[in-house]
Amino acid sequence: KAGVTQTPRYLIKTRGQQVTLSCSPISGHRSVSWYQQTPGQGLQFLFEYFSETQRNKGNFPGRFSGRQFSNSRSEMNVSTLELGDSALYLCASSFLWTGGYEQYFGPGTRLTVT
Amino acid sequence: GNSVTQMEGPVTLSEEAFLTINCTYTATGYPSLFWYVQYPGEGLQLLLKATKADDKGSNKGFEATYRKETTSFHLEKGSVQVSDSAVYFCALRGLVEETSGSRLTFGEGTQLTVNP
Repeated sequence: KAGVTQTPRYLIKTRGQQVTLSCSPISGHRSVSWYQQTPGQGLQFLFEYFSETQRNKGNFPGRFSGRQFSNSRSEMNVSTLELGDSALYLCASSFLWTGGYEQYFGPGTRLTVT
Repeated sequence: GNSVTQMEGPVTLSEEAFLTINCTYTATGYPSLFWYVQYPGEGLQLLLKATKADDKGSNKGFEATYRKETTSFHLEKGSVQVSDSAVYFCALRGLVEETSGSRLTFGEGTQLTVNP
């Protein structure tokens, strides 16, 4: 099976702009989660989508939003970019088995805000 | 809320040395526990997991035991290799019955460097 894919891999934006990142989960996985990774804050949970519905949300401002499509692909959007939004954004797709969720991560999108 | 604390890094070892990375957690009930590894320029890879107390997860020579009494999940390897150099993250997932879904809470990460 193909793994989790994220596009683009690298992105440079200017303060005040907006950005959209894309994630294609592993085939058959219905849950997609997004995480932000920075040197100062580490890995922080942004939100999770399951069957096109946001199931869980982390403690991020409303500038961060997401959605999931019927084919389970997900996008996240950040509006009015700030320098502090520079980070590696990781997407993870999950499936539920008897032992709980098994989560697989994509390679990430490196966003630089200048 | 849930939290994970890892030993402060970085950790530098010589090849074939013994590795321990400490991880303790705070959570209600019986969370599932994980170790992830991140190689330079890559995403996270699941290294091992344990879903109930006293479970031992193991993979590629790494081991960790879910200790409910000490709320710990320390990572160990008997003989490290240069190729093990990476950042290691301890993580937990709350009870599926809660609203946590597949959400993971991560520790700060520990940078491991293994020298030949």
